[in-house]
Amino acid sequence: DAGVIQSPRHEVTEMGQEVTLRCKPISGHNSLFWYRQTMMRGLELLIYFNNNVPIDDSGMPEDRFSAKMPNASFSTLKIQPSEPRDSAVYFCASTPHVQVGYTFGSGTRLTVV
Amino acid sequence: DQQVKQNSPSLSVQEGRISILNCDYTNSMFDYFLWYKKYPAEGPTFLISISSIKDKNEDGRFTVFLNKSAKHLSLHIVPSQPGDSAVYFCAASTGRGNTPLVFGKGTRLSVIA
Repeated sequence: DAGVIQSPRHEVTEMGQEVTLRCKPISGHNSLFWYRQTMMRGLELLIYFNNNVPIDDSGMPEDRFSAKMPNASFSTLKIQPSEPRDSAVYFCASTPHVQVGYTFGSGTRLTVV
Repeated sequence: DQQVKQNSPSLSVQEGRISILNCDYTNSMFDYFLWYKKYPAEGPTFLISISSIKDKNEDGRFTVFLNKSAKHLSLHIVPSQPGDSAVYFCAASTGRGNTPLVFGKGTRLSVIA
């Protein structure tokens, strides 16, 4: 079991550019979550999917953020256009429905300059 | 509106002594409470959990206590070891796997040899 795989690990981009973060959940896990970690706000939920269907995206900060889960083994979080205040560590996590708690990926550290 | 609060940003403890990390919550609908540990440049990893029908759960050196009337939980680490130095996040949810976790902002524990 390779765990939750996120790519890239680090991303540095210029303001205004499109950024796409990727996540491969653990096989067999039904739920997938995207979180963002900042010093000010800690770990905040952006969006989550159950069985590839988006359930709650109320945590997505602005329309510049979008997320998709085209199949059970892949999800993307896109920011377009990116801004310096988007700089943070973005985590993906997955879990089977019957389990309490999730498995996190190693995160993507995004820096927008 | 922070539903899960960790009021101590940092804590220093001597090796061999007890570490006590505290967490308060406001939502009486929370059913499960979890602690995650995070090392730099890694994702949070699950440590221990407790359901609302219990007041204590123990796993080796780690014990979580839940006081529902006070809406308070704590994590005890005995004895503390230098490898326990990390950021500890308290989290809560209103259900199992397909229910999002709400996180506190974390407490940085430093265990001094």
